[in-house]
Amino acid sequence: KAGVTQTPRYLIKTRGQQVTLSCSPISGHRSVSWYQQTPGQGLQFLFEYFSETQRNKGNFPGRFSGRQFSNSRSEMNVSTLELGDSALYLCASSPGQGRLGYTFGSGTRLTVV
Amino acid sequence: QKEVEQDPGPLSVPEGAIVSLNCTYSNSAFQYFMWYRQYSRKGPELLMYTYSSGNKEDGRFTAQVDKSSKYISLFIRDSQPSDSATYLCAMSAVGSEKLVFGKGMKLTVNP
Repeated sequence: KAGVTQTPRYLIKTRGQQVTLSCSPISGHRSVSWYQQTPGQGLQFLFEYFSETQRNKGNFPGRFSGRQFSNSRSEMNVSTLELGDSALYLCASSPGQGRLGYTFGSGTRLTVV
Repeated sequence: QKEVEQDPGPLSVPEGAIVSLNCTYSNSAFQYFMWYRQYSRKGPELLMYTYSSGNKEDGRFTAQVDKSSKYISLFIRDSQPSDSATYLCAMSAVGSEKLVFGKGMKLTVNP
């Protein structure tokens, strides 16, 4: 059974650019959440999607956005990149039962220079 | 005050030692308590989950929740070098899909 797949694994972008990260959940999983992990702040919740609808959003600026497609695949976008956006971005999927079934991907390492 | 506090360590122990990892929290609404393990260059994987107060045991791992003290613990018995990883506590409230994580404790078990 394939796990949660995140692409790309590594990304280097310049300040001011925008970036799109992709997440393919486990087959049959309808809930997808995104987290940002940094050494200083740890893992912080970005947003959660279920059946193409954003159900929850964390305390991040509007530059961070996401969406979920009908096949449950999800993308997150960060516009006008700042140096502080450098982080590991993790996607987690679940069948829709919430926190008990979350499986994380290996993440996308974003470096902003 | 952060909602979840976890000593970031690092912690280094000899093989076979008993390891105790702890988190405190401030949000009384938290009812689900989890421990995740994260190896280098990997995403977190769920180790243990507990609902409300009490203990839960799974092999060499025991999770404890004391809601009166807002304190949770993970014990690892007979620690192995393969247990070397970062351990993160996480918790959430009923009806919320948002997990609130501690910063993680880096554990090294030396052969």
